[in-house]
Amino acid sequence: GQNIDQPTEMTATEGAIVQINCTYQTSGFNGLFWYQQHAGEAPTFLSYNVLDGLEEKGRFSSFLSRSKGYSYLLLKELQMKDSASYLCAVIWDTGFQKLVFGTGTRLLVSP
Amino acid sequence: NAGVTQTPKFQVLKTGQSMTLQCAQDMNHEYMSWYRQDPGMGLRLIHYSVGAGITDQGEVPNGYNVSRSTTEDFPLRLLSAAPSQTSVYFCASSYLLLAGGDTGELFFGEGSRLTVL
Repeated sequence: GQNIDQPTEMTATEGAIVQINCTYQTSGFNGLFWYQQHAGEAPTFLSYNVLDGLEEKGRFSSFLSRSKGYSYLLLKELQMKDSASYLCAVIWDTGFQKLVFGTGTRLLVSP
Repeated sequence: NAGVTQTPKFQVLKTGQSMTLQCAQDMNHEYMSWYRQDPGMGLRLIHYSVGAGITDQGEVPNGYNVSRSTTEDFPLRLLSAAPSQTSVYFCASSYLLLAGGDTGELFFGEGSRLTVL
């Protein structure tokens, strides 16, 4: 199947750095997204990776290793407002135009 | 620019009733989709469309119908609601998700919370 695995929950302290991992089936892989979703709100786009390497965007960075079927989202200088769910989503060849989401990682940032 | 607009935001139905969730976008996006989100299950794709007159099934299509008569609108129909369809529904649109190409960032509506009794 087209499995995507993420940790269910993570906790971190304000000002710290946290890394949220995502693993996925490599066969037919064609792109990976990260979305942020605050409770009761719609998801919002954070990043897109299709090539190996690190994409940096302010306090947030996303890394991809296609051969390992692995991605991570790195959040630096954590703020209370970063408490949210972080969703990893993948496009596969067999699902062209189908963006499949993982179950998400709920991040709680404490003072 | 309104983006993606979903209506209604809240709805309570009785088992067996029918209803339509409306979705409209004003960004001239080719791609539109419907997801449902349930606790512990994440976002699951119900149906999607890559342009007017073209629709296809996602991961969980049973019990739902869609049509795409215009680029702007993509309604989701529940013909005979069941308690298992209690969920939060999100409509999302983008330029075509080009596998390996442009980002095709998905823009989401605010969601529709449906309860089926």
